[in-house]
Amino acid sequence: GENVEQHPSTLSVQEGDSAVIKCTYSDSASNYFPWYKQELGKRPQLIIDIRSNVGEKKDQRIAVTLNKTAKHFSLHITETQPEDSAVYFCAASINAGKSTFGDGTTLTVKP
Amino acid sequence: GAGVSQSPSNKVTEKGKDVELRCDPISGHTALYWYRQSLGQGLEFLIYFQGNSAPDKSGLPSDRFSAERTGGSVSTLTIQRTQQEDSAVYLCASSLGTAYPGELFFGEGSRLTVL
Repeated sequence: GENVEQHPSTLSVQEGDSAVIKCTYSDSASNYFPWYKQELGKRPQLIIDIRSNVGEKKDQRIAVTLNKTAKHFSLHITETQPEDSAVYFCAASINAGKSTFGDGTTLTVKP
Repeated sequence: GAGVSQSPSNKVTEKGKDVELRCDPISGHTALYWYRQSLGQGLEFLIYFQGNSAPDKSGLPSDRFSAERTGGSVSTLTIQRTQQEDSAVYLCASSLGTAYPGELFFGEGSRLTVL
């Protein structure tokens, strides 16, 4: 089955700096790669996703890049703010099949 | 309701007792997942239902855990003879489950404490 590895497990940045979280996947057939944000005590919620037919997608301060050849994808957050502090999870799936999640990255943005 | 609904939100039980956790997915969503999240940890996959297909039970940690989904909608996760290590937040999620993949919508979770 699919295996998703996520790095780093914890990340601390100064407000205004950029943050990058990376994930690798094992199944070359995977074609959907979402990112979820989980604030303390809350449910995970989708913040951005990318499908295998594109290499990059942006939404304001967040962007995701996908390298299908290397089987890795990354989340980029620019101009970080304290409210970006949360746990971020990447995931991979094949079409509507089971989503496999990474272990999560705890991002702390220091004011 | 508009979102995924889980009940109870909190459950405290004694070691050895059975518990049932319920999940009401978003109407029309054919895919349903159960995850377990221990304090400060990641999302541990438990079970996945997709339409009328046989569920993927590969994540259930022991035979004390079981889940069913009646009529392709409501799902119940049952934990028999609970142990202290079962204490965690149990999250349910649903998605459209069509051929075109989409986001998972999570419930607020059921926090289980086994004394």
